[in-house]
Amino acid sequence: AQSVAQPEDQVNVAEGNPLTVKCTYSVSGNPYLFWYVQYPNRGLQFLLKYITGDNLVKGSYGFEAEFNKSQTSFHLKKPSALVSDSALYFCAVRDGNFNKFYFGSGTKLNVKP
Amino acid sequence: NAGVTQTPKFQVLKTGQSMTLQCAQDMNHNSMYWYRQDPGMGLRLIYYSASEGTTDKGEVPNGYNVSRLNKREFSLRLESAAPSQTSVYFCASSFPQGIGNQPQHFGDGTRLSIL
Repeated sequence: AQSVAQPEDQVNVAEGNPLTVKCTYSVSGNPYLFWYVQYPNRGLQFLLKYITGDNLVKGSYGFEAEFNKSQTSFHLKKPSALVSDSALYFCAVRDGNFNKFYFGSGTKLNVKP
Repeated sequence: NAGVTQTPKFQVLKTGQSMTLQCAQDMNHNSMYWYRQDPGMGLRLIYYSASEGTTDKGEVPNGYNVSRLNKREFSLRLESAAPSQTSVYFCASSFPQGIGNQPQHFGDGTRLSIL
């Protein structure tokens, strides 16, 4: 079965510093991986997706994700955090056979000025 | 540019009452989904519809029913609401896997409280 894990409930960084939000996955077959962001009282918004063969994927709002097959990880990164990046971030994997998506438990990112 | 529209945005029910949450998408997506979001538990899949005319149970289907009315609309019904169903409900849609690695698109949710 497909699954993703986000080991950190919360990540705190100072504005201007680099940020990393961690995600590990377990899949059978090709990994169809995604990152989403959720702002208060809003639905999830798509940030980026894994593209086969690319170890570094670029997405919206300056975010990128580093794919590591040997460590089965897909960590979200940004070189310089903004206060406005404070939100809840979800990693997800798609089960291609059944058109279902599996989500991690979410990581709350706090960026302090 | 509506995307996925959910109604209502907020609802308070009494235990035992019934209600239907509505969802519509205008992106010509084949697949639609209903999730609930509870603190610390991420998103849990209630039901999904891979294509018009089909529905399947997800992780937490008990107490819910769904109807895929047409390609655009996918409703979620609570027949006899229970306090444990207090949650935020999200509808999402996507293209099927055969059309590349496409993400889901989400509505802004229905916040449901059951007293």
